[in-house]
Formats: sequence, structure tokens, C-alpha cells
Amino acid sequence: GAGVSQSPSNKVTEKGKDVELRCDPISGHTALYWYRQSLGQGLEFLIYFQGNSAPDKSGLPSDRFSAERTGGSVSTLTIQRTQQEDSAVYLCASSRGTGSNEQYFGPGTRLTVT
Amino acid sequence: GIQVEQSPPDLILQEGANSTLRCNFSDSVNNLQWFHQNPWGQLINLFYIPSGTKQNGRLSATTVATERYSLLYISSSQTTDSGVYFCAVRRNNDMRFGAGTRLTVKP
Repeated sequence: GAGVSQSPSNKVTEKGKDVELRCDPISGHTALYWYRQSLGQGLEFLIYFQGNSAPDKSGLPSDRFSAERTGGSVSTLTIQRTQQEDSAVYLCASSRGTGSNEQYFGPGTRLTVT
Repeated sequence: GIQVEQSPPDLILQEGANSTLRCNFSDSVNNLQWFHQNPWGQLINLFYIPSGTKQNGRLSATTVATERYSLLYISSSQTTDSGVYFCAVRRNNDMRFGAGTRLTVKP
């Protein structure tokens, strides 16, 4: 597609429920990143996919967080048993490949856990 | 991991003024980008500039990789320049963002 898309744009969920956030990267981009931005804060790296390689999960804050990337394209970030501190904007970015490639961001999903 | 510091944290300008935003990083990097986050939260690429100087209209950026810093220049600022400016660096698979500079341009 023309840009990175994310869905839903907003998600309100009750504490304890599971949520799935989706990212569609730019067509042909092999690298995909998930970040989290809490209110008024900078971006926190969560996970990185590059092609068929094992993902870099070093930024995931707990085992309640997981992500998949199917067919090297669409990615889903899943948060199980959501907590109020999970409330944030979740941003996805893609780039052409490894190394020094420019990242392009989607509009984000605003998650509110009540 | 790599440390990224941005300064100043907040900046208030009168429309038409010029400004310089700074990004310092603690180690050599493969990649450096400047982003503008608008009031609606969208991150917009400004520059991909691991080294050298680039210009785009009223904005320009310079990265001195050997001294581990980058500068973003905004000239003749406009109210639409308001928002948060982030510097992001990458060293191999380690991607880090600075805390940002919040710019407010007053009419």
C-alpha cells in the first residue's frame, strides 16, 4: 500500500481482556517494528521482524505481550490479560530491509484499558 | 544500550524565528532519523541522515557522526511547525528514540 496502516485506530478494553492490534506495512518492506508511546513520553521499542529471521523480542515488557508476522507482511501484536499500565499508543513502522534503512510509521492504535 | 539525549526539552518561539534542536548519542550509529510528531500523533519523517547535511525547504539537518551529534535547523518557523521533534538512532538492531523536543510556535 501507499503507507503503513494500523487497525483499529482506537481500542478501549476492560482490564484482564486480551487485545490484538494489526499492522500492514508498506508493500515490499521486509522489516517491521512495533513501538509503544505512553502519554507525553518518547517511543519505547517492543519488537522487530526482519524477513524470515527470528524476531528481536528484546523490548517486550512482559510475557503478556507477543507478536506474529504472517507471510512476511501483516503483523499482529497481542496483549493478554491487559493491565491499566498497558494504556498507550502502539505504533508500527516498516523499512525496506536491514541495516541503515529509513523507517516509515503508521498512524498508531490508541489503547485504553479501563 | 545506546543513549540518546535531545535538547532543549521544550522550546517556545514566535512565528518567523529560527531554531536549532540538538541530538547527542552515546555510540556510533548506522542510522539516524529526525521525525516530527504532529498534534494528532502522526510521526512524519523529516530526514534520514546518518551523516552529512541535508535540506528540505525551511528545514535542514546536519549529523557529525564522528562527534556523535545531529542538529535540526528550523528557519522562519510557522505555527504548523508546532509539535514534538524526535531524533532516532540505530546501531545494528538496537533502535532508540530520544525523549523529544516539544516546540510551540506562537502567532
